[in-house]
Amino acid sequence: SSELTQDPAVSVALGQTVRITCQGDSLRNYYANWYRQKPGQAPILVIYDRTSRPAGIPDRFSGSSSGDTASLTITGAQAEDESVYYCNSRNSRGNHVVFGGGTELTVL
Amino acid sequence: EVQLVESGGKVVQPGGSLRLSCTASGFGFSDSAMTWVRQAPGKGLEWVSSISGSGVRTFYADSVKGRFTISRDNSKNTLYLQMNSLRVDDTAVYFCAKDLRLLECFDSWGQGTLVTVSS
Repeated sequence: SSELTQDPAVSVALGQTVRITCQGDSLRNYYANWYRQKPGQAPILVIYDRTSRPAGIPDRFSGSSSGDTASLTITGAQAEDESVYYCNSRNSRGNHVVFGGGTELTVL
Repeated sequence: EVQLVESGGKVVQPGGSLRLSCTASGFGFSDSAMTWVRQAPGKGLEWVSSISGSGVRTFYADSVKGRFTISRDNSKNTLYLQMNSLRVDDTAVYFCAKDLRLLECFDSWGQGTLVTVSS
């Protein structure tokens, strides 16, 4: 079992806003990061340090955090945003890395 | 441009050994912590092991500790994962990734190499 919990699947209408959440005790002390992965491809970092966006990631992607829950928000979802999204952080003791189980996003 | 290219994946019998390599280019390899992450078929991402830029500090998931060894050769810009006592549940695509910070987030990934453990 993962120390970070994500909903297995979420859907959003084209052009609407969707929030994907990640819950875990370690998020009270360590930054959450978010990755997107399409089938057969490597993951890509989309948000790091809770709220920062790497170069080349569209500004419709944003991150936030409150208590033990981190969120990835896509404002104006596009068809190409269909992916599995993973969060990660350190574990509660800070000596390991943990990933959430992933959320499959469907854009309707 | 950062490039990470994994190699060494193949079919191996249970109990066997394998060494994966990851050749890096486009960034200061010796200044960067590196990580192996794996993904079993149809499953999510699982952290395997990380190593500091100097190679002095190493970290392992409980599922591989004592069986896998991470190392690096900074003169060759290459990361390694020595995998011993392989089990069927080690079957996965193994990705190498560059750490933005050790044990935190991974800002570049290779395309992965498939390890299949089967008799």
